[in-house]
Amino acid sequence: AQSVTQPDIHITVSEGASLELRCNYSYGATPYLFWYVQSPGQGLQLLLKYFSGDTLVQGIKGFEAEFKRSQSSFNLRKPSVHWSDAAEYFCAVVASGGSYIPTFGRGTSLIVHP
Amino acid sequence: DTGVSQDPRHKITKRGQNVTFRCDPISEHNRLYWYRQTLGQGPEFLTYFQNEAQLEKSRLLSDRFSAERPKGSFSTLEIQRTEQGDSAMYLCASSPFPTGEETQYFGPGTRLLVL
Repeated sequence: AQSVTQPDIHITVSEGASLELRCNYSYGATPYLFWYVQSPGQGLQLLLKYFSGDTLVQGIKGFEAEFKRSQSSFNLRKPSVHWSDAAEYFCAVVASGGSYIPTFGRGTSLIVHP
Repeated sequence: DTGVSQDPRHKITKRGQNVTFRCDPISEHNRLYWYRQTLGQGPEFLTYFQNEAQLEKSRLLSDRFSAERPKGSFSTLEIQRTEQGDSAMYLCASSPFPTGEETQYFGPGTRLLVL
């Protein structure tokens, strides 16, 4: 079975600084990978996804993520953080060719200082 | 495309009562998923439907939980004899299947508090 690790429970950055949120997965083949964002009391919004092809994927709100097979990682990045980016971020992995049920990490809470 | 909607958004109930939540998926999405999310955790899979058929249930879905999707459109999740441990956010998601790129779109969730 697949698993996801988000090693950072909280990340604090200053507005305008760059951001990298870490995600490591465990799966025998190439999985489908996702990043979602959740604002307090809200559902999850898809930021970006990777299925195949170019390992650097662009998403909404200026986010990007890079799939690194050798490191089993799919880290999320943003060059300049805005105060409105403060939220909970979830990485998810889906085993390709199965029932497409995602396994989520426990999330990373992003705090943005003015 | 109005997105996935869930009703109610919040529910407070007393232990032992029954509660029912509704999810309306994006139209023409034939897959519908239910998740439970507790504080500080990511969503955990409960069950999913393809059209009206319930194809998989998690071990988390005890006998007190039942889900239906009678006409392959909206779905309901019922919890009988609620317990304080059922307090959580219940999320619904839908996806078009098969597309080769399985992406789930989530609703705003129903937050349940059992007193």
